[in-house]
Amino acid sequence: DTAVSQTPKYLVTQMGNDKSIKCEQNLGHDTMYWYKQDSKKFLKIMFSYNNKELIINETVPNRFSPKSPDKAHLNLHINSLELGDSAVYFCASSPRGEGTEAFFGQGTRLTVV
Amino acid sequence: AQSVTQPDIHITVSEGASLELRCNYSYGATPYLFWYVQSPGQGLQLLLKYFSGDTLVQGIKGFEAEFKRSQSSFNLRKPSVHWSDAAEYFCAVGAWGAQKLVFGQGTRLTINP
Repeated sequence: DTAVSQTPKYLVTQMGNDKSIKCEQNLGHDTMYWYKQDSKKFLKIMFSYNNKELIINETVPNRFSPKSPDKAHLNLHINSLELGDSAVYFCASSPRGEGTEAFFGQGTRLTVV
Repeated sequence: AQSVTQPDIHITVSEGASLELRCNYSYGATPYLFWYVQSPGQGLQLLLKYFSGDTLVQGIKGFEAEFKRSQSSFNLRKPSVHWSDAAEYFCAVGAWGAQKLVFGQGTRLTINP
């Protein structure tokens, strides 16, 4: 039973396209996140949702739009993809949003060509 | 603002040798501290965490870490490494109400046979 699952695992697409990454957690957690890991392995928060409500938007371009239909799901839609969007995107969840440990998905490696 | 520094980008140790990975953090309030491990192509797995109490915490896979408030450090240790410990290790800091984790740059661990 995968606790935090993301699809797809790999995504290769052309510049200018629109793509989505889906995330689901079966841990019953209230808080979900999107993190971006760049080519140097640096991990940075993008968005934080608590019970479907956006809590953190860490100066992410408007082309990135998260959506949380319910507290078990957090999807990430990216419009007009750019080369610089190439990265690994991790979904994560935690039981509370108060800086407690996060449980991570396997990541989605996005390559924009 | 919270920040985490992992001074060593890459460490190589021989199998069976002891290991210490360094982590320094900056945060005004009481931090929650974490070590995660990332194997190639995988997500992040929590090794151990510190919230309060005993400053020496035990984790999975034989790892331990010591919180030293006076040095703002949370170093990870293992008495004897195995080839399977080769991975990227991330230190992270959270806090009550922070709604996110802030990660260090990561330390890549290579094991010599």
